[in-house]
Amino acid sequence: EAQVTQNPRYLITVTGKKLTVTCSQNMNHEYMSWYRQDPGLGLRQIYYSMNVEVTDKGDVPEGYKVSRKEKRNFPLILESPSPNQTSLYFCASSFSWSLNNQPQHFGDGTRLSIL
Amino acid sequence: GIQVEQSPPDLILQEGANSTLRCNFSDSVNNLQWFHQNPWGQLINLFYIPSGTKQNGRLSATTVATERYSLLYISSSQTTDSGVYFCAVQDRGSTLGRLYFGRGTQLTVWP
Repeated sequence: EAQVTQNPRYLITVTGKKLTVTCSQNMNHEYMSWYRQDPGLGLRQIYYSMNVEVTDKGDVPEGYKVSRKEKRNFPLILESPSPNQTSLYFCASSFSWSLNNQPQHFGDGTRLSIL
Repeated sequence: GIQVEQSPPDLILQEGANSTLRCNFSDSVNNLQWFHQNPWGQLINLFYIPSGTKQNGRLSATTVATERYSLLYISSSQTTDSGVYFCAVQDRGSTLGRLYFGRGTQLTVWP
């Protein structure tokens, strides 16, 4: 089954404790991205990747890192999490960012609470 | 970036009623998707519809790209249709593949 898988689905942690949210897709997609969803602010893009070893900042990259060493994986890293990063996070992928007729597929979301 | 406006912001229906949700966008797009966010927070992809009309069961969608709007129709609504419906577009001029989301329509269906 074609899917985007995020882990963990839920995490409660404390300020400053490094964490990684994993994202994996099995559709051989080139394009992957991370969004965060906050009440009143909607969904905003954090980082994106057009292919292996090609990443760039979205609208709200501060406090986050990403890597794309393999095509299928695109982890989101919070080196020193802070309470303002408490949010619902989504990973998404599509076949290619540059082609028309390419819907984006979303993971089930990860709820992060930083105390 | 491109502006996406959804209306109405809130909609309350009795089971069995029909509804129309609207999405207006401010520029040309090469991707438009409708999502349903269920109470567990999952984003369910309903339609990929940059232009034209599609139907899937009780749901259908129409996008008139030249007039920069899209409509989502829900017929014979059920309680399981409750949740937030989002429209998201990709700016035709964008080289970043980013989706811009509207603020959503909160739909509540009562039995």
